[in-house]
Amino acid sequence: AQTVTQSQPEMSVQEAETVTLSCTYDTSESDYYLFWYKQPPSRQMILVIRQEAYKQQNATENRFSVNFQKAAKSFSLKISDSQLGDAAMYFCAYRDTDKLIFGTGTRLQVFP
Amino acid sequence: KAGVTQTPRYLIKTRGQQVTLSCSPISGHRSVSWYQQTPGQGLQFLFEYFSETQRNKGNFPGRFSGRQFSNSRSEMNVSTLELGDSALYLCASSWGQPNTEAFFGQGTRLTVV
Repeated sequence: AQTVTQSQPEMSVQEAETVTLSCTYDTSESDYYLFWYKQPPSRQMILVIRQEAYKQQNATENRFSVNFQKAAKSFSLKISDSQLGDAAMYFCAYRDTDKLIFGTGTRLQVFP
Repeated sequence: KAGVTQTPRYLIKTRGQQVTLSCSPISGHRSVSWYQQTPGQGLQFLFEYFSETQRNKGNFPGRFSGRQFSNSRSEMNVSTLELGDSALYLCASSWGQPNTEAFFGQGTRLTVV
């Protein structure tokens, strides 16, 4: 069965600095999809970025980018120029056909 | 374009009662998935519906059930509520293919007392 592991329960970053959140996963599939979701205090899960496993190029969305290492089964999220509004829980997720498998999340604090 | 709408936002129920939660997906989306989020177990998949058919089911007891209507709106029902059912229930909608993103509603916070 596929699993997703986030080994950092909490991270903190200074405003305008860069932070990287780690995620590893386990799968025997060769083609799959990975996502990072953000969950602010409002509780709504917001899609941050997605990565297709067949694409070697790392996905980028404005200040958010990923470092996708397929062989190592690693999928980290880099947030550049951190803003106070980035403070939230971040979940890494693996798409398994009809469902998402989530990691345990990383709580990101942003300090002014 | 309206997002995923879940109702109600908050619910308080007594042990032994039953509850029905509703989810209206983004217009055009045919897949609706349900997740339970608790501090102890994290985010766990409940079930997924596509065009009124349950395609996948998580490891939850039979007290948890769902259905999807022809307009893609979905409901989930929990019968004989237990204290441990207290959780945030999240609904997500998508086009239904593996390469498509799932968009989440704001969730229903269920408290069982």
